[in-house]
Amino acid sequence: AQSVAQPEDQVNVAEGNPLTVKCTYSVSGNPYLFWYVQYPNRGLQFLLKYITGDNLVKGSYGFEAEFNKSQTSFHLKKPSALVSDSALYFCAAPLGNTPLVFGKGTRLSVIA
Amino acid sequence: EPEVTQTPSHQVTQMGQEVILRCVPISNHLYFYWYRQILGQKVEFLVSFYNNEISEKSEIFDDQFSVERPDGSNFTLKIRSTKLEDSAMYFCASSDGQGVHEQYFGPGTRLTVT
Repeated sequence: AQSVAQPEDQVNVAEGNPLTVKCTYSVSGNPYLFWYVQYPNRGLQFLLKYITGDNLVKGSYGFEAEFNKSQTSFHLKKPSALVSDSALYFCAAPLGNTPLVFGKGTRLSVIA
Repeated sequence: EPEVTQTPSHQVTQMGQEVILRCVPISNHLYFYWYRQILGQKVEFLVSFYNNEISEKSEIFDDQFSVERPDGSNFTLKIRSTKLEDSAMYFCASSDGQGVHEQYFGPGTRLTVT
């Protein structure tokens, strides 16, 4: 079955250190992949997407994501984490007739 | 920057009552969506709407639910007879296309059914 998965419920990282939030996918054909962020009591904000082309996608707030076809992954990264990056991060993809299927979410905590 | 707005931010209702959640999508967008997020769980797709009709719906979107675009700006979700398990955060979203196009989400309406 087609799906997106986020294997980590929680990621903790020290401020200034690089961060990675993991996402794997199982999609037939060429995948479209998205990352969204949810700050407390806010809606989901679009960060970036992979459609085709360069495997390294750059997005908002200094985030980037690397598409890896052989590993079926689309991990979100940032070279230097900020405390303000602490939020809930969702990987998502259109699957079948569903416009967006979300992963379960990963809570990122950046510690000063 | 244009944004999706939703009202009310919080709705408390008694089981069996009807509720209407309102959304104003981004003005030049053509595709509209409702999602819900039960506390502590993932975001789930409910329904998509295009050209004044439902284009896709999930198993969650049963006969208790309906959507409407009553005028050129509003997009509503109605739950006819609320159940306790309808308690969730409901998000509206809009986009200017499907598939490759990102969706823009509103801040959500927290629905509490007592």
